[in-house]
Amino acid sequence: KNQVEQSPQSLIILEGKNCTLQCNYTVSPFSNLRWYKQDTGRGPVSLTIMTFSENTKSNGRYTATLDADTKQSSLHITASQLSDSASYICVVSPSGSARQLTFGSGTQLTVLP
Amino acid sequence: EPEVTQTPSHQVTQMGQEVILRCVPISNHLYFYWYRQILGQKVEFLVSFYNNEISEKSEIFDDQFSVERPDGSNFTLKIRSTKLEDSAMYFCASRVRLAGTTDTQYFGPGTRLTVL
Repeated sequence: KNQVEQSPQSLIILEGKNCTLQCNYTVSPFSNLRWYKQDTGRGPVSLTIMTFSENTKSNGRYTATLDADTKQSSLHITASQLSDSASYICVVSPSGSARQLTFGSGTQLTVLP
Repeated sequence: EPEVTQTPSHQVTQMGQEVILRCVPISNHLYFYWYRQILGQKVEFLVSFYNNEISEKSEIFDDQFSVERPDGSNFTLKIRSTKLEDSAMYFCASRVRLAGTTDTQYFGPGTRLTVL
């Protein structure tokens, strides 16, 4: 069964600090991996998308890495801001389907002043 | 920037009643989706829709659910006889093109459905 596991479940950091969120997946075959940011009560917003041939992708202060061999990804946030407080969801897309996505449970990040 | 919109933002209904959740996808998008997220749980895929027909559906999407694109802009999810366990946030999403592996799904803000 395709699964996406994220860690930690929750994380609290101080404003200005960096943090790294982890994602392990067992989705096969693999098409791409996405990181989404979901504010409370809102829809997910795409941060990065990576195919199996890409091992890093940046979007401002967000940098995602992918190791397709070990089926692991990380999302690194630098110089965190209060507005970074949200759930960060790792989503993996299998190939050969109508773009069904397998969602992780998310890491709830809280940035404190 | 174009965005997916959903109405209503919150729907309260009695068990057994029919509800229709509405979505307006981004205008040049071709693929449409419905997802749900029960409070505190993962986002779950319900159904995908392309060329006026269902492409894929999950086991959650039983006979109580239906989708429709009644005109050129709206995409609706109907639940015929709501159950308590249908209470969730329902997200609509759309995607621009059929081919390619890195096209993004754009999510709407969601409709919170509460079944009493």
